[in-house]
Amino acid sequence: QSVLTQPPSVSGAPGQRITISCTGSGSNIGAGYDVHWYQQVPGTAPKLLIYANTNRPSGVPDRFSGSKSGTSASLAITGLQAEDEADYYCQSYDNSLSGLNWVFGGGTKLTVL
Amino acid sequence: EVQLVESGGTLVQPGGSLRLSCTASGFTFNYHLMHWVRQAPGKGLEYVSSISGNGVNTYYANSVKGRFTISRDNSRNTLYLQMGSLRTEDTAVYYCARQSSGWSDYWGQGTRVTVSS
Repeated sequence: QSVLTQPPSVSGAPGQRITISCTGSGSNIGAGYDVHWYQQVPGTAPKLLIYANTNRPSGVPDRFSGSKSGTSASLAITGLQAEDEADYYCQSYDNSLSGLNWVFGGGTKLTVL
Repeated sequence: EVQLVESGGTLVQPGGSLRLSCTASGFTFNYHLMHWVRQAPGKGLEYVSSISGNGVNTYYANSVKGRFTISRDNSRNTLYLQMGSLRTEDTAVYYCARQSSGWSDYWGQGTRVTVSS
């Protein structure tokens, strides 16, 4: 069971807009820790997609955007393209009894129909 | 160009030990906290361990605490993960990742560890 909760799968047709949610709690996202998003094409390493809730690294298309509110965050993809088909993971920090550590969501598989 | 190259993954028996390495290039290695993250077959990403730039502070997931040891040799630009008392559930691809202000901006290609008899 992941500390951050994501839907296992989402799908959309080319050109459509989809969102992926990432729900945490008061010890992670709700405590004010930033949320970051990674894209992973199966068989390859994760790639940074969104950092510090809303920021895109150089080279990431502006079709990708992030937001954060309360104990949740969201990744939105507009103008879906076939190449967006991948797994998406949110990541934050969690401050629990075991210390301050990275935590990931369970991942969301995006299918472009 | 930033590069992270993992090595050392192999087939090992339950209860055995293994040391993974991650060789870094293209940046000032000792400026960055480094992480190990793993991914079991067909599963999601799981945080394993982190180490500060000077190697003084280390952090572990509960699932590996007491069995794995993270270290680094800044003179060799190399990150290590010493894995002991290995279990079948440690089977995964292990990635090293560079931290940049709370997120990872660079990941290696991963090295596969299989724990099986």
